[in-house]
Amino acid sequence: EDQVTQSPEALRLQEGESSSLNCSYTVSGLRGLFWYRQDPGKGPEFLFTLYSAGEEKEKERLKATLTKKESFLHITAPKPEDSATYLCAVLGNQGGKLIFGQGTELSVKP
Amino acid sequence: DSGVTQTPKHLITATGQRVTLRCSPRSGDLSVYWYQQSLDQGLQFLIHYYNGEERAKGNILERFSAQQFPDLHSELNLSSLELGDSALYFCASSVGGPGVYGYTFGSGTRLTVV
Repeated sequence: EDQVTQSPEALRLQEGESSSLNCSYTVSGLRGLFWYRQDPGKGPEFLFTLYSAGEEKEKERLKATLTKKESFLHITAPKPEDSATYLCAVLGNQGGKLIFGQGTELSVKP
Repeated sequence: DSGVTQTPKHLITATGQRVTLRCSPRSGDLSVYWYQQSLDQGLQFLIHYYNGEERAKGNILERFSAQQFPDLHSELNLSSLELGDSALYFCASSVGGPGVYGYTFGSGTRLTVV
């Protein structure tokens, strides 16, 4: 069964304090690993898709990386507006559904 | 605005009642997915429709059902509601399966069962 585990559950940072979020996964035939951002009471918003080990994607202060067993979302010099829940999801070869992790709630204080 | 429209945004109802949640996918998208998000469970896949046909079922209770209509909008029907059904229900859409950008999510329907 495809499974995604994210850690930590919650992360509190000071503005400018860089850190990383972890997404560990087990999947039968990885067809894609997705990162989303979710603000309170809103739908998840797409950030990145990674397909193969060694791949990296960047967007502003965020960089996502992928290995064969996990993905990291690195946040460099975060700002308060980066506060949100970050969700990781995998797409395996058993149907077209994304399997999500529980998310990491990030809080960045000024 | 993501292009995926969900109505209503909020719904408060009593235990034992039945409700219908509606989703209009993004223009051109043929797939609709329903997810339930509760505080302790995260985003749980319920069901997937593609061009009117059911393609996959997840952890969907027998009290819940869904359909996708010829105009591609979808409805999720929840019956004999229990307190534990209180959650955010999201609809997402994609052209076929999840593409380069995964799914596009709507803003959700917050269901409160009292």
